[in-house]
Parts: sequence; structure tokens; C-alpha cells
Amino acid sequence: AQSVTQPDIHITVSEGASLELRCNYSYGATPYLFWYVQSPGQGLQLLLKYFSGDTLVQGIKGFEAEFKRSQSSFNLRKPSVHWSDAAEYFCAVALSGGYQKVTFGTGTKLQVIP
Amino acid sequence: DAGVTQSPTHLIKTRGQQVTLRCSPKSGHDTVSWYQQALGQGPQFIFQYYEEEERQRGNFPDRFSGHQFPNYSSELNVNALLLGDSALYLCASTSQGRKNTEAFFGQGTRLTVV
Repeated sequence: AQSVTQPDIHITVSEGASLELRCNYSYGATPYLFWYVQSPGQGLQLLLKYFSGDTLVQGIKGFEAEFKRSQSSFNLRKPSVHWSDAAEYFCAVALSGGYQKVTFGTGTKLQVIP
Repeated sequence: DAGVTQSPTHLIKTRGQQVTLRCSPKSGHDTVSWYQQALGQGPQFIFQYYEEEERQRGNFPDRFSGHQFPNYSSELNVNALLLGDSALYLCASTSQGRKNTEAFFGQGTRLTVV
């Protein structure tokens, strides 16, 4: 069964600092990979997705992620964090497209300090 | 485009009662999935509906059931509510005809069982 691990439950960064959120997946083949963001009490917004091709994926709000097959990782990065980025971030995988069930990690809560 | 809409936004029920949550998919989407997100956790897949039939199911008891209507909207029903059913219930929609696409999520229904 596919699984997703986000080893960092909580991360605190200063505004303007760089950010990297870690994600590792377990699956027999290359799955479809996603990063979602969730603000308190809200639904999930897609930041970016990887299906195939270029392993460096650009998303919204200045985020990017890099797929590394050898490490089964899909880490999320942002060069300069803004206070509005404070939220919870979920890495997720699916067998194929969005019409398959999506398996989520447990999330990483990001706190941004001035 | 209204996106994925869910109703109600909040709900309080008593243990043992039954509840129905509703979801309208994004325009052009024909597949609806339901997820349960307990506090501090990532969303967990409940089931998925396509062509008015349950196509996939996660590890949830039979107390959780659903329905999809000809207009692609969907309902999630939970019988004999337990305190542990308190969670944010998220609906996601997508299209079977488009493989390389993600699931779009609604804002969720916050269910509290007392």
C-alpha cells in the first residue's frame, strides 16, 4: 500500500528565510505527487503537482518541489517565506490521476515569525 | 466557476444520531471523493463515486455510506454517530476523462459529535 511520510510535524522559520518541507513516499512505481496547503478551518488548496517529465516543479505562491526517484522524496521549497505562508502543508500521492484515491501525509505545520 | 461546494459548513450532532453531508462538484467534473480529516491529521480517503456507483472505498465501516445523483452531486451519510466521528469532512471532485489532473477540494463540513 502506498504511504507518505512527513517527518517534520512543526517548523518555525523567520520571515524572509528559506523553507524546505520534507516528504518521502513508499510505492512500487512512480506515483503522482502533490503538495496541498490548508489554512485553519479551510479546505485544501493545491500548490503544485508532479506527474512526469521535469523533476523540478513550479507551483503557485513561489513554491517549488523536486522529485528525486532515488530517494523517494518530493520536498517542497520556497526561497523567501512570507508571513501569509503560515499554514499546514500536506504531501500526497495517488496511483495515477486525481480520479484515484489520494493518500496524504500527516502534515507539517509552518509557523512564520517576524 | 463555483468550484466544489459543501453544505453545511458546520454541524453538531448527538452520539447515535445520523447525519447527511452534501457536495456539489466543480463544473465539468463527474467523480466525487470523500475524505475524513481528524484534528491534527491528514485527510483519510472514505470512498469515491462515479456514474452513481461506489468505485473505491477506504478503511471505513459500513456506517459510512454515500450516494451520487445524476447531476454528479453527492451525499455522505454516517449512521450511529460516535464521538470519534468528529472531524472535518472534505469532498473532492475530478474528471474520469482527464487523467493528468488533480482533485479539487471543497472547504469542508466540520462535524462535531457530542
